[in-house]
Amino acid sequence: SQTIHQWPATLVQPVGSPLSLECTVEGTSNPNLYWYRQAAGRGLQLLFYSVGIGQISSEVPQNLSASRPQDRQFILSSKKLLLSDSGFYLCAWAGGSTEAFFGQGTRLTVV
Amino acid sequence: AQTVTQSQPEMSVQEAETVTLSCTYDTSESDYYLFWYKQPPSRQMILVIRQEAYKQQNATENRFSVNFQKAAKSFSLKISDSQLGDAAMYFCARSPGGGAQKLVFGQGTRLTINP
Repeated sequence: SQTIHQWPATLVQPVGSPLSLECTVEGTSNPNLYWYRQAAGRGLQLLFYSVGIGQISSEVPQNLSASRPQDRQFILSSKKLLLSDSGFYLCAWAGGSTEAFFGQGTRLTVV
Repeated sequence: AQTVTQSQPEMSVQEAETVTLSCTYDTSESDYYLFWYKQPPSRQMILVIRQEAYKQQNATENRFSVNFQKAAKSFSLKISDSQLGDAAMYFCARSPGGGAQKLVFGQGTRLTINP
């Protein structure tokens, strides 16, 4: 069966520090991969999605970037974090079926 | 922009009663999918139910059913026999029919179940 792993679960980082959140999927190949951000009490905002290795589409201009170095690995990065980058980040994948399956999420607090 | 709108930020219902959560969406596509996701306090996103736009029959999953009105671009979720475990944020979402399944979410409805 397919599983998705996202880490770390929580992260506290100072302003100006770099960021790297990792997401990996098991049990499937060539998945579509997504990064979403959820502000407190709000809906999910699509940040990036990828349909293949090295193929990244950005939905919202921001301080973040994404990379897909391997078929089932999706990384969210920042060179210098801002206070406004705080939030709950969710990785998701979608394959042959139409719904997306989500990781456990990362709660990022920038201080 | 193609949006999904949930007009009810909060809803509450008595245990064992029925509640309906509203969702409307905007799309120019004829083929697409609609979903309801549940997010409990753990914040794990859980798929509740999905509907293919080309199907006229409303989807049903046990106590959960939808009222899909394609012409009105409306997709409401009905929860019957509400249980305490149903308390969560509920998100309506839409994705295109083909290619990358780019899910667009509504702002969510917080559902409280009163014992």
